[in-house]
Amino acid sequence: EVQLLESGGGLVQPGGSLRLSCAASGFTFTTSPMSWVRQAPGKGLEWVSSISESGSNIYYADPVKGRFTISRDNSKNTLYLQMNSLRADDTAIYSCARIQVAAGIDFWGQGTLVTVSS
Amino acid sequence: QPVLTQSSSASASLGSSVKVTCTLSSGHSTNIIAWHQQQPGKAPRYLMKLEGSGNYKKGSGVPDRFSGSSSGADRYLTISNLQSEDEADYYCETWDSNSRVFGGGTKLTVL
Repeated sequence: EVQLLESGGGLVQPGGSLRLSCAASGFTFTTSPMSWVRQAPGKGLEWVSSISESGSNIYYADPVKGRFTISRDNSKNTLYLQMNSLRADDTAIYSCARIQVAAGIDFWGQGTLVTVSS
Repeated sequence: QPVLTQSSSASASLGSSVKVTCTLSSGHSTNIIAWHQQQPGKAPRYLMKLEGSGNYKKGSGVPDRFSGSSSGADRYLTISNLQSEDEADYYCETWDSNSRVFGGGTKLTVL
């Protein structure tokens, strides 16, 4: 059974940092591109970042470029999102997602809530 | 980068059919998209991949009531024999070489 389990969310002050993790199981993580997607309260889905299978290709949405860093540890089947210089508008549920090549996201995690507030 | 446009809401009666539309921006009319369902308070769920030809492939466990079709830049999700559990937000997704994008979502109400 495919599982994606996010952790690391919480309350952080503006300007602070947080690192999210996503533990993957039930599929071959090393051959799967991955993404982070967020959803602000009451809003739609917003793509944040993607990373290729090996980690050699990385992409970011403009609102997080220069502040967030995506990475993966294929030996631990884990995806990460390091978030720095957090702002109030980064408040959202952050979900990791598996990408099926040429077919879009085909599996979602349950998400972890990040709240940026003083 | 592509832009996806969805109507903000749709409604249909229990047991009827409804078609949800996602429109690709100019220059991206041949893009493959994916449809996702998000029931209230739950994580999104992948429904299907849909090509410009109208060919679609559903995810595991997606009921036969869900189907996809295409016409030009428009991509459709049709839900037949609507059930109460189909009341949800529906999002389309597409991608290019270095980004992914979602439509704004369609809130489906089952009357």
